[in-house]
Amino acid sequence: AQTVTQSQPEMSVQEAETVTLSCTYDTSESDYYLFWYKQPPSRQMILVIRQEAYKQQNATENRFSVNFQKAAKSFSLKISDSQLGDAAMYFCAYRPFGNEKLTFGTGTRLTIIP
Amino acid sequence: NAGVTQTPKFQVLKTGQSMTLQCAQDMNHNSMYWYRQDPGMGLRLIYYSASEGTTDKGEVPNGYNVSRLNKREFSLRLESAAPSQTSVYFCASLFWGLSSPSYEQYFGPGTRLTVT
Repeated sequence: AQTVTQSQPEMSVQEAETVTLSCTYDTSESDYYLFWYKQPPSRQMILVIRQEAYKQQNATENRFSVNFQKAAKSFSLKISDSQLGDAAMYFCAYRPFGNEKLTFGTGTRLTIIP
Repeated sequence: NAGVTQTPKFQVLKTGQSMTLQCAQDMNHNSMYWYRQDPGMGLRLIYYSASEGTTDKGEVPNGYNVSRLNKREFSLRLESAAPSQTSVYFCASLFWGLSSPSYEQYFGPGTRLTVT
């Protein structure tokens, strides 16, 4: 069974600084997708970024980028120029290609210090 | 487009009571999902429906039943609520097809359920 591990229950960062959230996963599949979801206090789940495993290039979305290390089964999220609105729970998620079910990590609560 | 809607947003039940959580999507998605979110546990899949007329168990199905009423609607029923079912429940949907799958599951706003 696939598992997703987020080893940092809480992180904090000064506003305008950079922070990296860690995620590792376990799978025997070779083709899959990885996602980072943001959950602000409103509870709404918002997709931040996704990565296809067959792509070597790391995905980026504005201030958000990932460091995807397929051999190490690692998928970290880097947030640059942190803003107060980035404060939220962040969930890493995995989905194998050809399967529609998502497996989530336990989340990292990110606090932004003004 | 309203996306994925859920009702109610909040609910308090007594142990043994029953209730149905409603979910609807207007994006013509074929797959729909029910998750529960507990502190320190992330989101765990309860049931899912790959298409109208089909449902399958997820990771934590015990104590729940589901109905895929039509393509738009997917309900979750608690027949006899227990305090262990206190949680936040999310519905999600996805267009699923091997030839052209979409990547993103769209989530509803969640239902906070407390069982006393």
